[in-house]
Formats: sequence, structure tokens, C-alpha cells
Amino acid sequence: GAVVSQHPSWVICKSGTSVKIECRSLDFQATTMFWYRQFPKQSLMLMATSNEGSKATYEQGVEKDKFLINHASLTLSTLTVTSAHPEDSSFYICSARARKNQPQHFGDGTRLSIL
Amino acid sequence: GESVGLHLPTLSVQEGDNSIINCAYSNSASDYFIWYKQESGKGPQFIIDIRSNMDKRQGQRVTVLLNKTVKHLSLQIAATQPGDSAVYFCAENRYSTLTFGKGTMLLVSP
Repeated sequence: GAVVSQHPSWVICKSGTSVKIECRSLDFQATTMFWYRQFPKQSLMLMATSNEGSKATYEQGVEKDKFLINHASLTLSTLTVTSAHPEDSSFYICSARARKNQPQHFGDGTRLSIL
Repeated sequence: GESVGLHLPTLSVQEGDNSIINCAYSNSASDYFIWYKQESGKGPQFIIDIRSNMDKRQGQRVTVLLNKTVKHLSLQIAATQPGDSAVYFCAENRYSTLTFGKGTMLLVSP
């Protein structure tokens, strides 16, 4: 149980394009989903927290207009990287949690490369 | 001192040995702790968790110890196998969000 699917797993695109990443909880309802960014050999850095039906809460230093998050249902959240540039290249990982003080379960991440 | 981002602390063990991975957490108000395993190119995988009202919790081949006095968490893996090779992260829960530690790379030699 507690499977989180993230899609796509790898995307390469040109600078200036927008990229959408999907995160789905397959066998449970996720009241909260989280988006992280990870650089090579570093830990996960929380970007934003989203609750179903509410606006996302962004961490300090994360641009809301650059990283658009939508959590339209209890099983789906999307992250859109708008007008992506090479410095946005990274490993983006989502997680989903059924209730507070329960573990977050992670997707397998999306490797984003902007040329 | 160690610089974040240049390298991960690494623990090298032989297959069959017991492994102990340590983590220091930062906030005494954290009430819930989780260990995750991350293989290359994948997302973190839940291993075991422990709440702050406990000192020890055991799973299959894994044990987590919590010492709140010194804000220290450890993960013990019994009879380590090559498939255990990965980066291990501790995470502390505070205000319903997780803060991850730096990670430790575990290398298991056959």
C-alpha cells in the first residue's frame, strides 16, 4: 500500500518552455501533498505544501509564479515549472500524506533538464 | 568541517555485518521521526518511524533508537545485505512538515 506515482520520470526541454509534473496517490487519499527539490548528493529541500482544495504554502525563497502548484483532488497534485531556465534543472520529488503525523510517501521523482 | 553538497558521509560495511547510521536533529519540539532509504535516481522509501514518546522501535531487520536528551536518532540494520546499499535520511516532523537530515551513504560489499 501507500503508492505514489510521479510522471514524467525524465523530461528534457528548451529554455522558456513550461513543464508540468503530476503526482498521484494510487491507493490512498492524500489530504496533503508536498513538493521537494533535490540537488546531487544533497538532501531534500521542501518547496511547498499543498492541501486539497486550498492554495499551496510556499517555503521562503520559492517563487510562487515560477512553480505553480495545483491540488485539485485527494489523489492528484501538479507542479508546473513556468518559463523554465537551465538553473531550474533539478530532481523534483513529490510526496503524499493521508493524515497528520503519518509518514509521507514519495514518488520516484522527475529529472528535469533545461537546455 | 564538512561542506554541504560536496560529499555525503559514507558508511562501508561487509555483507552480514550490522550497520548503525546516526543522525542529530535540531529541534527539541519535533514530535515524530522517520528514516527513509533513497536509491539512486529514485524517491525516498519509508523504512521506519518513531514518535517522541518512545525510545526504541523495531521493524524487520531494522531498529530505530531515539535519545531526546541529546537529540540523537539512530538506525540499526541487522545482517546488512548488498540491496541495503543506498542513501539513508532521517527526517524530523515539526508543524506537520518534514525537515530532512543531510543523509548517509551506506555501501555494502559482498
